[in-house]
Amino acid sequence: DAGVIQSPRHEVTEMGQEVTLRCKPISGHNSLFWYRQTMMRGLELLIYFNNNVPIDDSGMPEDRFSAKMPNASFSTLKIQPSEPRDSAVYFCASSRDAGVGGGYTFGSGTRLTVV
Amino acid sequence: DAKTTQPPSMDCAEGRAANLPCNHSTISGNEYVYWYRQIHSQGPQYIIHGLKNNETNEMASLIITEDRKSSTLILPHATLRDTAVYYCIVRVAVSGTYKYIFGTGTRLKVLA
Repeated sequence: DAGVIQSPRHEVTEMGQEVTLRCKPISGHNSLFWYRQTMMRGLELLIYFNNNVPIDDSGMPEDRFSAKMPNASFSTLKIQPSEPRDSAVYFCASSRDAGVGGGYTFGSGTRLTVV
Repeated sequence: DAKTTQPPSMDCAEGRAANLPCNHSTISGNEYVYWYRQIHSQGPQYIIHGLKNNETNEMASLIITEDRKSSTLILPHATLRDTAVYYCIVRVAVSGTYKYIFGTGTRLKVLA
C-alpha cells in the first residue's frame, strides 16, 4: 500500500502564476479531502469529495481556488492566480466510507511558497 | 468551527504515561471522537476513535466519560518519538458523508 501520494512535495512559484497540486488516493477509498495548514490558521478543510462528487466546497477561500476529481484515483487542487498569502502546506487525505472505521489517511503534503 | 477544546501544550517524561484531555461538551449522541497526531510537518496520522465505550489499540487508549462531554487519550509508555501535536476531533455527519474539523491541538513534548 503506497498510501496517499501527493505531488509535487515542494512548489515555489511567482505571484500571479497558476499552481496545480495533485493527489492520488489509496485504491478503494471513496472519499477524498483537501486541507490547508498554516501557522496562523492551523488545519483548514477546503473541499471534500465522495464517490468523485464534490460534497462541500465552503472551505475554499476564494474563486481563485478550484478542485476536481475526474476519477477515483486522481484529484487536483488548482490556484489561479496564486498570491503570497496562499503559501501553506496543502494536504490530501482519503478514506473508505468516509472514515467510518479507521479514519483518514493523509498524504505527506505539498509545501507551496508563492513569492 | 471545531467542537473540541484542548490544552495548547503538555510535557511528559519518557517512559511515563501521557494523558491528553479533550473537552467536547456539545457533542451529539451519534458523533464519534477521533484522535490524530502530527509529527513535525508530516501529514496527520490516525490514532484511535470511539463513540461511548473505552477503546484500546496498539498505539493508545481512549477513555470517554459517561456523559461523553470529555475524553482522554492515553499513551501508556511515552517515547521521544511520541513528541507531536495531538488533535481531538468530533466527526460531523454532512450530506451522506463525514468531515473532520481540526482544532488547535495539544503540543506534547516527551522529555528524556
